[in-house]
Amino acid sequence: EAGVAQSPRYKIIEKRQSVAFWCNPISGHATLYWYQQILGQGPKLLIQFQNNGVVDDSQLPKDRFSAERLKGVDSTLKIQPAKLEDSAVYLCASSLTGDREQFFGPGTRLTVL
Amino acid sequence: GENVEQHPSTLSVQEGDSAVIKCTYSDSASNYFPWYKQELGKRPQLIIDIRSNVGEKKDQRIAVTLNKTAKHFSLHITETQPEDSAVYFCAASSNDYKLSFGAGTTVTVRA
Repeated sequence: EAGVAQSPRYKIIEKRQSVAFWCNPISGHATLYWYQQILGQGPKLLIQFQNNGVVDDSQLPKDRFSAERLKGVDSTLKIQPAKLEDSAVYLCASSLTGDREQFFGPGTRLTVL
Repeated sequence: GENVEQHPSTLSVQEGDSAVIKCTYSDSASNYFPWYKQELGKRPQLIIDIRSNVGEKKDQRIAVTLNKTAKHFSLHITETQPEDSAVYFCAASSNDYKLSFGAGTTVTVRA
């Protein structure tokens, strides 16, 4: 079974620039999550999708972050404009509907200079 | 929201000894408690989980215990091996399935 795929793996940008991350969940997983993991901390949930609908985005900084999952499969997370404090690893995870276990992708390491 | 605290932040053990990591949670509605292992530069991977209707669960050298009354749960690794060296995260969720993670414990197994 193929795992959760993410790209790019690394990204370096300057503050105030824009950046986008892509996630392809495990086939058949209707639930998709985006997490932000700052160095030395645990992952923090940003947004949760069920198919193409948002279940929870209460911790997403909506003034600069946006995410979509238009066809209920792949998802993109965008930051515009980026700030220094956005430097982190952005993890995507997916799960089967009604299943507790979340499978994580390798993450995208973002460095904002 | 849920607040999960994890201790210790670092743990160094001699190969063959046991390692114990403890977590506390704040939301009494939490009913699912997974543990993830994250090796350097790699994705978090689920190693064991426990639900609130169970007090203890074992899988080979790994065990997790849950005390719902005290709102804490622990990970026990016995007969530690060098490949157990990693960062371990505890997490908690309720019926909304949203995971709240602890800050992580860096475990180093000394040969």
